[in-house]
Amino acid sequence: DAKTTQPPSMDCAEGRAANLPCNHSTISGNEYVYWYRQIHSQGPQYIIHGLKNNETNEMASLIITEDRKSSTLILPHATLRDTAVYYCIVRVTTGTASKLTFGTGTRLQVTL
Amino acid sequence: DGGITQSPKYLFRKEGQNVTLSCEQNLNHDAMYWYRQDPGQGLRLIYYSQIVNDFQKGDIAEGYSVSREKKESFPLTVTSAQKNPTAFYLCASTSRDRVKGYTFGSGTRLTVV
Repeated sequence: DAKTTQPPSMDCAEGRAANLPCNHSTISGNEYVYWYRQIHSQGPQYIIHGLKNNETNEMASLIITEDRKSSTLILPHATLRDTAVYYCIVRVTTGTASKLTFGTGTRLQVTL
Repeated sequence: DGGITQSPKYLFRKEGQNVTLSCEQNLNHDAMYWYRQDPGQGLRLIYYSQIVNDFQKGDIAEGYSVSREKKESFPLTVTSAQKNPTAFYLCASTSRDRVKGYTFGSGTRLTVV
């Protein structure tokens, strides 16, 4: 699986957009980008995933660059409850073998 | 509502004892996974299973064992051979197409005393 690089921490003011970057320069053509978040002492929560096109759901937007070497997760109006560790993961989603490899993620602190 | 249930939430074990962590899902998911998380670290894969009666070692399988006798259940045994078992253990599952990503349980925190 392709390796991902994320900043260790970020701050965001409540109500502002939080933009979390991720580099995945060795991503293969059939690898998807997944984003999860983990609030302290809970299981990770799926946020969004994409292959080539930008994606949006009720939680966030995912912007993937045209060369697919990096992506950005956007939380449009961050709240205090969005404070968590955010993980960017790339993974093939076809075939019989499948596993997610988590790095150390980005710790997002949303402040008043 | 469908989901993954891990029990117990907190578990204490004496050194040298085996202990089994439970993971049950009612999502009709085919694949199930066990991860370990240490403080300030990401998740590391212990074992995973794509179908009933089949499972594969992950990155840190030594000192652990699993079984997959039913689709809904994927228990993890932490054996006395695991040198440093104190950690937060997470179970996950996903459907075959993985369209909606992986669903995680709320975790079991194991402490060896």
